[in-house]
Amino acid sequence: DGGITQSPKYLFRKEGQNVTLSCEQNLNHDAMYWYRQDPGQGLRLIYYSQIVNDFQKGDIAEGYSVSREKKESFPLTVTSAQKNPTAFYLCASSSPLARDTDTQYFGPGTRLTVL
Amino acid sequence: EDKVVQSPLSLVVHEGDTVTLNCSYEVTNFRSLLWYKQEKKAPTFLFMLTSSGIEKKSGRLSSILDKKELFSILNITATQTGDSAVYLCAVVPAGNNRKLIWGLGTSLAVNP
Repeated sequence: DGGITQSPKYLFRKEGQNVTLSCEQNLNHDAMYWYRQDPGQGLRLIYYSQIVNDFQKGDIAEGYSVSREKKESFPLTVTSAQKNPTAFYLCASSSPLARDTDTQYFGPGTRLTVL
Repeated sequence: EDKVVQSPLSLVVHEGDTVTLNCSYEVTNFRSLLWYKQEKKAPTFLFMLTSSGIEKKSGRLSSILDKKELFSILNITATQTGDSAVYLCAVVPAGNNRKLIWGLGTSLAVNP
């Protein structure tokens, strides 16, 4: 089955610790995205990558870092510099060459709670 | 500044009712509009609209786009409790990147 996986589903960390959220896709999509979702604020773009070894900041990149060493993988690190990291994190992917090129497909999400 | 506004923000109906959700936008160089359904987890794709006046339909759900008046509607007929979710609208601007502009969503609750 093709799809996007995120792990873990739930994550608890102490304040001041860095944490890395995993996102893997086997859809052969070139583009991948990280969003943060808070109650009442909709989806906000953290980082996105349109091709391997390249990524751009989204609207709220401060306190986050990413890498894109492989097409299938786009991990997100939430650093201690992120002032309010508790949120629901969603990873998505899309294919610029596909018929539904604009459609982004989402993973199941990771709910991060910083204690 | 580009923006997408959804209304209403929340809605409570009874099973069997018909609902209409609205999505209006102000986006430079519009390319397409997307509707998603989110039930406490990942958003799932419903429709992509690119042309005015052409209805997209899937079962009891349908959607249409008006590029002159800059809005789209999502209709759900004969609602069921399983339709309870947040419905998200996003606009894709033309250009090389794929940064979607998201609305805040409409939270729909269908009571039995």
